[in-house]
Amino acid sequence: DVVMTQSPLSLPVTLGQPASISCRSSQSLVHSDGKTYLNWFQQRPGQSPRRLIYKISDRDSGVPDRFSGSGSGTDFTLKISRVEAEDVGVYYCMQGTHWPWTFGQGTKVEIK
Amino acid sequence: EVQLVESGGDLVQPGGSLRVSCAASGFTFDIYWMSWVRQAPGRGLEWVANTNHDATEKYYVDSMKGRFTISRDNAKNLLFLEMNSLRVEDTAVYYCGRGGAPGTVDYWGQGTLVTVSS
Repeated sequence: DVVMTQSPLSLPVTLGQPASISCRSSQSLVHSDGKTYLNWFQQRPGQSPRRLIYKISDRDSGVPDRFSGSGSGTDFTLKISRVEAEDVGVYYCMQGTHWPWTFGQGTKVEIK
Repeated sequence: EVQLVESGGDLVQPGGSLRVSCAASGFTFDIYWMSWVRQAPGRGLEWVANTNHDATEKYYVDSMKGRFTISRDNAKNLLFLEMNSLRVEDTAVYYCGRGGAPGTVDYWGQGTLVTVSS
């Protein structure tokens, strides 16, 4: 199985400051169709997961543009340009290139 | 509006069986892949199974293969997960998700809690 490794696992951030989460995969996430199926999900406390980003950098409708995704191959990053209170929660990267699809361990974002 | 509503979660004894359901609305159910993912209490997310639009393709995580069965009723817009030989470690919230495109899930339900305990 593809192992997804996130860092850091805990991220205390000051309101209005940027935040960055790294996600590394144990093998390339480039699919045979040429696309890279790397997703980012947000899970706020007590809620279901919500997709933020798909195919590395495509942002879902309604997702604030302070969220951005980047990377390639095995190395990916989610950035929040200015953290707001509503961004508190756990963020997961997830690969949909190789079965079984797998998630990272999650990064808990909290306000300092 | 896309809605996914899971139901059927319950307390089950080890070795027991349970079927959970997911009622879909707000989209054309029979053209989408669907998924089940679970989350043990206080833990991260774990994939369980996927099925294509007409259930001719099904994929399972190895640890659940042979014990869990994903199925769907396209006439009733329902997704199911049949779980047999349940273990304490299967205790989790089970979420259904819609596969909006290859390699992803774009919508999730609110989840249903399955507790395996004696």
